[in-house]
Amino acid sequence: KQEVTQIPAALSVPEGENLVLNCSFTDSAIYNLQWFRQDPGKGLTSLLLIQSSQREQTSGRLNASLDKSSGRSTLYIAASQPGDSATYLCAPFTGNQFYFGTGTSLTVIP
Amino acid sequence: KAGVTQTPRYLIKTRGQQVTLSCSPISGHRSVSWYQQTPGQGLQFLFEYFSETQRNKGNFPGRFSGRQFSNSRSEMNVSTLELGDSALYLCASSLFQGGDIQYFGAGTRLSVL
Repeated sequence: KQEVTQIPAALSVPEGENLVLNCSFTDSAIYNLQWFRQDPGKGLTSLLLIQSSQREQTSGRLNASLDKSSGRSTLYIAASQPGDSATYLCAPFTGNQFYFGTGTSLTVIP
Repeated sequence: KAGVTQTPRYLIKTRGQQVTLSCSPISGHRSVSWYQQTPGQGLQFLFEYFSETQRNKGNFPGRFSGRQFSNSRSEMNVSTLELGDSALYLCASSLFQGGDIQYFGAGTRLSVL
């Protein structure tokens, strides 16, 4: 069974900082990996989807990388803003389902 | 374009009852997946429906079931509710089956007393 770990569990940074969120998974036989954000009491919003053949994917201030062989992905957020405060989850897809990590709770302090 | 709509938003039931949750996907999306989110277990996959057929199923007991209609709307049913079924139930729709970008609804918060 795929086990997904996200470190750190919580992060608090001042506005304007660049930051990196980490995601590791035990089964490297994945088709793709998605990063989501979840705001309190709400559903998830897909941020980026990286195919297993890709190394990086970018959207605005977000950059996600994937090292499938080592079972790792990172989400880089540039010039963080208070509106980035949310829980970030990664989810590798194994062919049958997405497996979700426990998330990193991010607080950006104005 | 309207997003994924889940009804009801909140639900309170007692042990032993059954419950039905509804999910209307984004127009044109044919895949609907259901997830359970709890503080202890996180987000766990329940099942995926595509073209009215269950395509994949997570590791949940048979009390959890679902179906999809010809207009892609989906319902999830939980019978003989247990206290541990209290959770946020999320549905997500996507254009294609399996591994596509998931668009989530706001969820149904179920409390079992």
